[in-house]
Amino acid sequence: DAMVIQNPRYQVTQFGKPVTLSCSQTLNHNVMYWYQQKSSQAPKLLFHYYDKDFNNEADTPDNFQSRRPNTSFCFLDIRSPGLGDAAMYLCATSRDRASSYNEQFFGPGTRLTVL
Amino acid sequence: AQTVTQSQPEMSVQEAETVTLSCTYDTSENNYYLFWYKQPPSRQMILVIRQEAYKQQNATENRFSVNFQKAAKSFSLKISDSQLGDTAMYFCAFMYYNTDKLIFGTGTRLQVFP
Repeated sequence: DAMVIQNPRYQVTQFGKPVTLSCSQTLNHNVMYWYQQKSSQAPKLLFHYYDKDFNNEADTPDNFQSRRPNTSFCFLDIRSPGLGDAAMYLCATSRDRASSYNEQFFGPGTRLTVL
Repeated sequence: AQTVTQSQPEMSVQEAETVTLSCTYDTSENNYYLFWYKQPPSRQMILVIRQEAYKQQNATENRFSVNFQKAAKSFSLKISDSQLGDTAMYFCAFMYYNTDKLIFGTGTRLQVFP
């Protein structure tokens, strides 16, 4: 089945040690998103790509970066994770942009623990 | 800043009964979209139902329907004939017209009991 895949599902890293989370999709969608969801909080958009066009949210810390080498893959890099970066990270895709009919499809998430 | 408020952190309902989840939002815009997403335990979030603000008619998807009150900025979700598989976290979300950004509420955890 076409889907959004996130690896790994659980990631443990040390304070300050760079970590990369990955997302892949078989939907051939143009838009890919990264959300951060802290415990008992709403998912919060970090950034998204429309094709290769990168869109960063104004309040996303510089510590968070992203790469999209091709249509299928998108990576979230956390350069120096802090304890406050422990969260569930959700990847999502949509076929196109800016319409309610462009449903966002979510992956299962990667739960990041920072020790 | 745009806000979406879900005032019920947790709710429970008996199987086959009806439950309504509340959502209010704050915007000065006239054109936007509203969504309800469902996040089952340890599974990915999926879209339940969506509503365009310019449409007065309330959206319906099988057992799920919304009560959209634009003037009151209210967007509640009604689940009829609740099933055990409806147990999940439900998020209300807002999106400005012509943007890609979903703004989520903090969610309502729904437990359906047999």
